[in-house]
Amino acid sequence: AQTVTQSQPEMSVQEAETVTLSCTYDTSESDYYLFWYKQPPSRQMILVIRQEAYKQQNATENRFSVNFQKAAKSFSLKISDSQLGDAAMYFCAYRSAFEYGGSQGNLIFGKGTKLSVKP
Amino acid sequence: DGGITQSPKYLFRKEGQNVTLSCEQNLNHDAMYWYRQDPGQGLRLIYYSQIVNDFQKGDIAEGYSVSREKKESFPLTVTSAQKNPTAFYLCASSIGWREQFFGPGTRLTVL
Repeated sequence: AQTVTQSQPEMSVQEAETVTLSCTYDTSESDYYLFWYKQPPSRQMILVIRQEAYKQQNATENRFSVNFQKAAKSFSLKISDSQLGDAAMYFCAYRSAFEYGGSQGNLIFGKGTKLSVKP
Repeated sequence: DGGITQSPKYLFRKEGQNVTLSCEQNLNHDAMYWYRQDPGQGLRLIYYSQIVNDFQKGDIAEGYSVSREKKESFPLTVTSAQKNPTAFYLCASSIGWREQFFGPGTRLTVL
């Protein structure tokens, strides 16, 4: 079974600085999707960025970028020019590209990293 | 505006009662999901449905039931068989392999 591990329960960053959140995963599959979701105090889950495993190029979305290392099974999130609104829980998630007895598309989440942004 | 709505935002239940959480989407997504979130935990899958009139158990389906009579709606019933139902419940939807979009959630508390 696939697992997702976020080894940093809490992180802190100064406003305007850069921070990197770590995520590792375990899978025997070759094709899958990886996601970073943000959960602010409102608790609404918001998609931050998505990476397809077959793409070597790292995904970027404005101030958010990933470092996807497929061989190492690592998927870190870098937030540049941190803003106060970036303070939230961040969850890394894995999704298989294959279907097993109807389990297509299910997300497997890590336990999250709480990011604080200091003014 | 397209999106996912969940109601109510807060729900209180007495022990032994069944309660139903609502989830509606107008995104025309085929797949819908229910997750449970406990403090300090990630999300765990309860049930999911990929088409109308069909649904599958997730990792923690015991004590829960769902229906999918309409594409737009995927209600979750928390039954009295669920031993520890106090949690935050999130509904999501997606098109095929694409990313899931989440509703605002329902906080359920058992009194």
